[in-house]
Amino acid sequence: AQSVTQPDIHITVSEGASLELRCNYSYGATPYLFWYVQSPGQGLQLLLKYFSGDTLVQGIKGFEAEFKRSQSSFNLRKPSVHWSDAAEYFCAVTGGGNKLTFGTGTQLKVEL
Amino acid sequence: DGGITQSPKYLFRKEGQNVTLSCEQNLNHDAMYWYRQDPGQGLRLIYYSQIVNDFQKGDIAEGYSVSREKKESFPLTVTSAQKNPTAFYLCASSKDRTPSYEQYFGPGTRLTVT
Repeated sequence: AQSVTQPDIHITVSEGASLELRCNYSYGATPYLFWYVQSPGQGLQLLLKYFSGDTLVQGIKGFEAEFKRSQSSFNLRKPSVHWSDAAEYFCAVTGGGNKLTFGTGTQLKVEL
Repeated sequence: DGGITQSPKYLFRKEGQNVTLSCEQNLNHDAMYWYRQDPGQGLRLIYYSQIVNDFQKGDIAEGYSVSREKKESFPLTVTSAQKNPTAFYLCASSKDRTPSYEQYFGPGTRLTVT
């Protein structure tokens, strides 16, 4: 069965600092991986996705993520965080179908 | 603009009552999904539908029911059999079941049962 672990429940960074959110997955074959962002009381918005090819993927809002098969990881990064990036971030995985398995999320707080 | 509409945004019910949450999409997507979100637990799949008049149980279907009579609509009924119905419910859709097609999410309905 597929699973996702986001080890950090809360992360606080200063505005302008770099950010890395961790995601580890468990899946037997090549996974499809996603990062979503959720503002309070809202739905989810896709930041980026990985299916195959280049292991460094670029997304919206200046985010990127790197797929590392050897570490079963798909960490999300941003070089310089803006106050508007404060939100909850979810990593998700699926195999060949469309059933997404989500991690428990990482709440990002940005200090001004 | 295309998108997913969920109504109402907030819903209050008494224990023992069934309640139906609305989800409508105008994206011409074949696949639709219902998720439940609880604090600290991420999203869990309740039901999904890949085509009209067909749907499958997700990971936590007990106490819920759905219908898919129209491509645009996928209502979720929370029955009195659901032991802990208070939660944030999210509807999503995707072009089809192929995982390369991303899931688009609605704004959610927060259900409170007392």
